[in-house]
Amino acid sequence: IQLTQSPSSLSASVGDRVTITCRASQGVSSYLAWYQQKPGKAPKLLIYGASILQSGVPSRFSGSGSGTDFTLTISSLQPEDFATYSCLQLSTYPYTFGQGTRLEIK
Amino acid sequence: EVQLVESGGGLEQPGRSLRLSCTGSGFTFGDYAMSWFRQAPGKGLEWVGFIRSETSGGTTEYAASLKGRFTISRDDSRTIAYLQMNSLKTEDTAVYYCARGDCSVGSCDQFDYWGQGTLVSVSS
Repeated sequence: IQLTQSPSSLSASVGDRVTITCRASQGVSSYLAWYQQKPGKAPKLLIYGASILQSGVPSRFSGSGSGTDFTLTISSLQPEDFATYSCLQLSTYPYTFGQGTRLEIK
Repeated sequence: EVQLVESGGGLEQPGRSLRLSCTGSGFTFGDYAMSWFRQAPGKGLEWVGFIRSETSGGTTEYAASLKGRFTISRDDSRTIAYLQMNSLKTEDTAVYYCARGDCSVGSCDQFDYWGQGTLVSVSS
């Protein structure tokens, strides 16, 4: 299953609302997770089950969607949110990631 | 505190083998699946495979492109998961991460805690 994220990169300002999209080449039900990764660091789980917020993750992060179309929304960007975001489907082997969305400071 | 620490990375020649270890602490290791991922320099994340907990059968799943060369195993008494990599290729050069998984006999719901990664470089 191929996952296509859009946009591939994004410039935004602190306080902005940002939405990242992940589209699957075939349905994955709700078996989709979102990860945040900063340079030189391990990925951090933000959302799983398409919309379930991982414990300890700020509530400004939210996920939605099912089937083939998913979104990750950050309601009000904070300085620590500038990173790369990747979606992962866990519906069908092999598990696959989107290519990543790089979120940069405007 | 949940911690995962990878070790065993380094420089290896093409065609040789390398075994990575992932030592877990701060949780009941045997209750969880353990997965491996990798990330080539400047590239995106790639799933390598995972091993279920013994209570879920201890079975493994792999990325098709790696099956046959890579093998995942676990030693719950030592809280270690292993990634055995054989017949290494230059394209196996990457940072390798292990992660704890919430997986049943069927699929996985998520991989929540990740190690810091270990770099494997394959070059002659």
